[in-house]
Amino acid sequence: GENVEQHPSTLSVQEGDSAVIKCTYSDSASNYFPWYKQELGKRPQLIIDIRSNVGEKKDQRIAVTLNKTAKHFSLHITETQPEDSAVYFCAENSGGGADGLTFGKGTHLIIQP
Amino acid sequence: EADIYQTPRYLVIGTGKKITLECSQTMGHDKMYWYQQDPGMELHLIHYSYGVNSTEKGDLSSESTVSRIRTEHFPLTLESARPSHTSQYLCASRVGASEKLFFGSGTQLSVL
Repeated sequence: GENVEQHPSTLSVQEGDSAVIKCTYSDSASNYFPWYKQELGKRPQLIIDIRSNVGEKKDQRIAVTLNKTAKHFSLHITETQPEDSAVYFCAENSGGGADGLTFGKGTHLIIQP
Repeated sequence: EADIYQTPRYLVIGTGKKITLECSQTMGHDKMYWYQQDPGMELHLIHYSYGVNSTEKGDLSSESTVSRIRTEHFPLTLESARPSHTSQYLCASRVGASEKLFFGSGTQLSVL
């Protein structure tokens, strides 16, 4: 089964509003949870990450929260801007039997002007 | 500049052709990965390598093969391309002590 589920698959928000993307994972051994942003035609790039010994991390307009008990983590973007439009991927490092990160299916974030 | 490079950026070929997608990184990373990204944008791990002479299959079964003869180079080969191989292929790398993954710009493969 899936190691990480991501919701929603598409999110449309008005410019200036906040956006929240949520992921759930199943492996208690996971201890690293990054978020990647992929703009159209470009490579995925790491925008923020969190480890399991921390509950929240902020970097300017973006923040990530982690609830280890419930096994879910979320990306929060405040004061959204047109350049925030992209596909966002959550990931975790349980590996699922293989090394590396396991990614969610992605969320297409659309910022409406 | 330290980066991870993929060539070609776009490739259109006919069915049955043999192709090699190139991936090189100048960051001194020991671990390298190939992901296949489908039109729905989902990323699937197809191959990875811990270092020279190490290659492993990922979660998604793939008819492609990889090699790791040099630390910086991790090419992916398809012996006989088919339309079902049409996809974007992303190479990635990281240093063993860190979980931060760096991606190349990808190769968009179209098999006619």
